[in-house]
Amino acid sequence: QVQFVQSGPEVKKPGASVKVSCKTSGYTFINFALNWVRQAPGQRPEWMGWINTGNGNTKYSQNFQGRVIITRDTSASTAYMELSSLRSEDTAVYYCAREDHWFEYWGQGTLVTVSS
Amino acid sequence: EVVMTQSPATLSVSPGERATLSCRASQSVSRNLAWYQQKPGQAPRLLFYGASTRATGVPARFSGSGSGTEFTLTISSLHSEDFAVYYCQQYNNWPPYTFGQGTKLEIK
Repeated sequence: QVQFVQSGPEVKKPGASVKVSCKTSGYTFINFALNWVRQAPGQRPEWMGWINTGNGNTKYSQNFQGRVIITRDTSASTAYMELSSLRSEDTAVYYCAREDHWFEYWGQGTLVTVSS
Repeated sequence: EVVMTQSPATLSVSPGERATLSCRASQSVSRNLAWYQQKPGQAPRLLFYGASTRATGVPARFSGSGSGTEFTLTISSLHSEDFAVYYCQQYNNWPPYTFGQGTKLEIK
C-alpha cells in the first residue's frame, strides 16, 4: 500500500534552516509529483511547493519564494523540503502529499518548532 | 490567487441529523474542488475530488455538489466519527493550491 514516512520533529532557533524528508513506498515514485503543505496550529493547510519527481522541476508558493527548496532522490524514493531563515511564524506541522491535483496520500506530518 | 471561504466557521449538529457545509471561491474553479476531513493530530483525509467524486472508502452518507464558485458538502445523518474539521481546496488555478479556512463540525 502507498505509504509516506516523514522525518522526526525538529526544534530550531530563529534564522536557522530545517530539512524534512518524506520517504515513499508502495507505488512508482517518479509517476506522481509530490507537494509540501504546512499547517500552523489552528490554521488552514498552506501549500508550499511541488516537485515533478521525474525531472526534478519545482514550483513554489510566492509566500515562500527564496526560502524553500524542494528536492528528491529517485534512488531512495524520497523527497526533501528545506526551509531557511526560520522565524517563529514557521512553527507548524509540515506534510508531504502525493499530487493528483488533489491530495489523497499524506505523510504523518513533521512538527517544526521555531523558538529562541 | 483564488481565495476560498467556508461557512459557517463552526456548525453544531446532533448525531443523526443532517449537516450542510459551504465553500465559496473568489473566482470560478469549475469543478476542480476537493474536500478533506481532519481530526486532531492527523493529516487531512481526502473525501471528494472533482467536487462530487467520492474518494476510496468514503461512506455514502457524504455527498459533494456544486460548480463554479459555490460548493456544498452534505452529511446526511451524522455519526460520532464525523465530528471533525472540514476543508475545501481548489486546484483549478495553481500555483498556488489554496484551502478554505475550515468548518468545525461539533456535537450539539
